Amino acid sequence: DTAVSQTPKYLVTQMGNDKSIKCEQNLGHDTMYWYKQDSKKFLKIMFSYNNKELIINETVPNRFSPKSPDKAHLNLHINSLELGDSAVYFCASSQDLVVMSTDTQYFGPGTRLTVL
Amino acid sequence: AQTVTQSQPEMSVQEAETVTLSCTYDTSESDYYLFWYKQPPSRQMILVIRQEAYKQQNATENRFSVNFQKAAKSFSLKISDSQLGDAAMYFCAYRSTSGTYKYIFGTGTRLKVLA
Repeated sequence: DTAVSQTPKYLVTQMGNDKSIKCEQNLGHDTMYWYKQDSKKFLKIMFSYNNKELIINETVPNRFSPKSPDKAHLNLHINSLELGDSAVYFCASSQDLVVMSTDTQYFGPGTRLTVL
Repeated sequence: AQTVTQSQPEMSVQEAETVTLSCTYDTSESDYYLFWYKQPPSRQMILVIRQEAYKQQNATENRFSVNFQKAAKSFSLKISDSQLGDAAMYFCAYRSTSGTYKYIFGTGTRLKVLA
């Protein structure tokens, strides 16, 4: 069974469009994250949700809006897509926000977004 | 603010040999977690090994081990008996035990395994 899944795996779209990436985890974790990995492989956190509550909101344009309908899902909606948004977006989850001895982040397979 | 530095953009190792990937970090905290993640061409991020800062003993997972030097803020990964499947990007990561507990990743080291 896939622990953290993302859809779609590939997304090609035109500048100015609005798109969403979905993420689901079946691990029963309380905390979920969105990361952006740019062309240089630099991995940077964008958002973190704990029990559907926004915990981390890095300096991300407000065109990016995460939505957590329940603890198992954290979707990323992007408005007015720009060329610079092209990247691989990773969803991840961990047991809890507070570090425990078993703390580990489980990553999804990534979504490669290409904005033309 | 915490930072994580991986000074080796790329490394090569002969199959069956041993390779060490470097990672240094900067923090004023005394308690934290350190991780090594592997990202193969499939793009999936896979946890390789984890180290708790309060533990002096170096973590080991099969062929993977770390050399954790807390005073020097160094956290290197040693891969023994390298296999072709070890070829990937390797990311060092730091996680705070306070505040927002967010992860901070290094820029990665690409490991090539030569047959």
